Amino acid sequence: GAVVSQHPSRVICKSGTSVKIECRSLDFQATTMFWYRQFPKQSLMLMATSNEGSKATYEQGVEKDKFLINHASLTLSTLTVTSAHPEDSSFYICSASNDRNTEAFFGQGTRLTVV
Amino acid sequence: SQQGEEDPQALSIQEGENATMNCSYKTSINNLQWYRQNSGRGLVHLILIRSNEREKHSGRLRVTLDTSKKSSSLLITASRAADTASYFCATADYGGSQGNLIFGKGTKLSVKP
Repeated sequence: GAVVSQHPSRVICKSGTSVKIECRSLDFQATTMFWYRQFPKQSLMLMATSNEGSKATYEQGVEKDKFLINHASLTLSTLTVTSAHPEDSSFYICSASNDRNTEAFFGQGTRLTVV
Repeated sequence: SQQGEEDPQALSIQEGENATMNCSYKTSINNLQWYRQNSGRGLVHLILIRSNEREKHSGRLRVTLDTSKKSSSLLITASRAADTASYFCATADYGGSQGNLIFGKGTKLSVKP
């Protein structure tokens, strides 16, 4: 099956700094990538949808200036958490799809801890 | 808002027993998918069932879909300790991209050796 690689798997950063998370589709062209956030013991919540070459569409309640998403190529999307705060500590997962897929391919996830 | 609602929220069984998890949803769907997540790890896609399908098998997994009741079930037969994980259902609607999934809250399965 298709492979989506997410990096880093774990990151610890200080409050006020910015953190970038990468999501790459390794063997297919991902026209659409999705970013999810998961709080402990809870389900995934869709944060935003990004289409290659256009601005991301954010879900209600997600601050677009805080969670910057860039989908500059068909194989790479990045999520940058700006001015990180301890409340941003969470598990972030990306997924990718193309027009021919009928399933979403997920990255391994990134555990972000803001101290 | 969450569309899929799994039950039970937690399930504890002995190795060798069958585990059944249910999922209900609210709107019309294109397909329903089941995922597995080991603690602190990413999601693993298990099985996808389309809205015009009623049952699907994959190894020890059996998924059913009842669109009239807007519900699905995941059955894991002859469970193993390695099946211990959280299981999520996710729905994709007709209007959205296939990747735009709405996840339920999940069932935490614990299989005791």
